[in-house]
Amino acid sequence: DAEITQSPRHKITETGRQVTLACHQTWNHNNMFWYRQDLGHGLRLIHYSYGVQDTNKGEVSDGYSVSRSNTEDLPLTLESAASSQTSVYFCASSEWGLGEAFFGQGTRLTVV
Amino acid sequence: AQTVTQSQPEMSVQEAETVTLSCTYDTSESDYYLFWYKQPPSRQMILVIRQEAYKQQNATENRFSVNFQKAAKSFSLKISDSQLGDAAMYFCAYTGTASKLTFGTGTRLQVTL
Repeated sequence: DAEITQSPRHKITETGRQVTLACHQTWNHNNMFWYRQDLGHGLRLIHYSYGVQDTNKGEVSDGYSVSRSNTEDLPLTLESAASSQTSVYFCASSEWGLGEAFFGQGTRLTVV
Repeated sequence: AQTVTQSQPEMSVQEAETVTLSCTYDTSESDYYLFWYKQPPSRQMILVIRQEAYKQQNATENRFSVNFQKAAKSFSLKISDSQLGDAAMYFCAYTGTASKLTFGTGTRLQVTL
């Protein structure tokens, strides 16, 4: 069965360190997204990609970057982790015209 | 930019009763989808129901149905015969031509005996 997986599920890191969260999908979807979930804010879009070599900033992109070298993967990098980036991160994928997005299990990141 | 508003941070319903969760949205697009996602304590995002804007008929999935009022930009979720397993956070979401999901802030639903 097709799926979308995130790793790690949980991570604790120190302020100032670079951190990369992995996202891998086997749906063969062109569209991939990274969201962060915080209490009182719902899920907010960090970065997204419509295909290989395409990346775009979302509403809360400062301090994050992504790259898309193949269809299956969209890793999210925190260049210098800050306590404000403590959150739950979700990766999602979708295909044009279908509307529905499929989500990974989420990564809980704690920056200490 | 599109916005989605959920004005009920928490709701409570007794088992077997019916509850309605509210959602309003704002958009200038004519072609879009609306969704309700359920997030139980496991954190998994589970699609409950979807509605295409061009369809006048309200979507229904078993005990879940929506009241889609396009002119009023309202999209409420009705859960009938509530069960303990319905307890979760519920998110209303919008996607349009850009294929990006915009979420509301969520409604936490408690189900009591």
